[in-house]
Amino acid sequence: EVKLVESGGGLVQPGGSLRVSCVASGFTFSVYWMHWVRQAPGKGLVWVSRIQSDGSITNYADSVKGRFTISRDNAKNTLYLQMNSLRAEDSAVYYCAGGYYSNYGMDVWGQGTTVTVSS
Amino acid sequence: QSALTQPPSASGSPGQSVTISCTGTSSDVGGYNYVFWFQQHPGKAPKLIIYDVNKRPSGVPDHFSGSKSGNTASLTVSGLQAEDEADYYCTSYAGNKWVFGGGTKLTVL
Repeated sequence: EVKLVESGGGLVQPGGSLRVSCVASGFTFSVYWMHWVRQAPGKGLVWVSRIQSDGSITNYADSVKGRFTISRDNAKNTLYLQMNSLRAEDSAVYYCAGGYYSNYGMDVWGQGTTVTVSS
Repeated sequence: QSALTQPPSASGSPGQSVTISCTGTSSDVGGYNYVFWFQQHPGKAPKLIIYDVNKRPSGVPDHFSGSKSGNTASLTVSGLQAEDEADYYCTSYAGNKWVFGGGTKLTVL
């Protein structure tokens, strides 16, 4: 079974940092692009970042550029998102998603982890 | 404000067909055949139903279909069923980034 499981969400103060993780199983994680997508309460989906299969290429949405860092450990089948200088508007459910049918898209999704930025 | 424009709502009766549009620009929808559609039920994670404009992943019913003309992509749901009631999102590759539509709430009357 193809599965993505996120963890690491929680409550953090404005200006703080948090790292969320996503463990993949049931498919060859190391050959696919991986993404982070977020969804604020009651709002739509917003693409955050992506990383190439070997980690050599990363891209970010303008709203998080310079504050968030995406990375991966293919030996551990794990995707990461390091979030620094967090703001209230970063509060959302963070989903990891990866290629499976397309290799590059958001084909399979995890269940999400909730990040709340509040004092 | 989302980069891609979707109607906020759509509706149809069981058995009818509904089409949801997703309008972008030549820098995203019109420039690449990398348009994906997702279905999201309340409290659940999104689920891929169409990729690369018109391809269906295994296990997705064939009453979902996708197409594209110029800068507008479309999702058609034929033979509406009660379980099709959900939010639907489009996304497109846009050159080193991906952009989403604002989502369409589909109601089965």
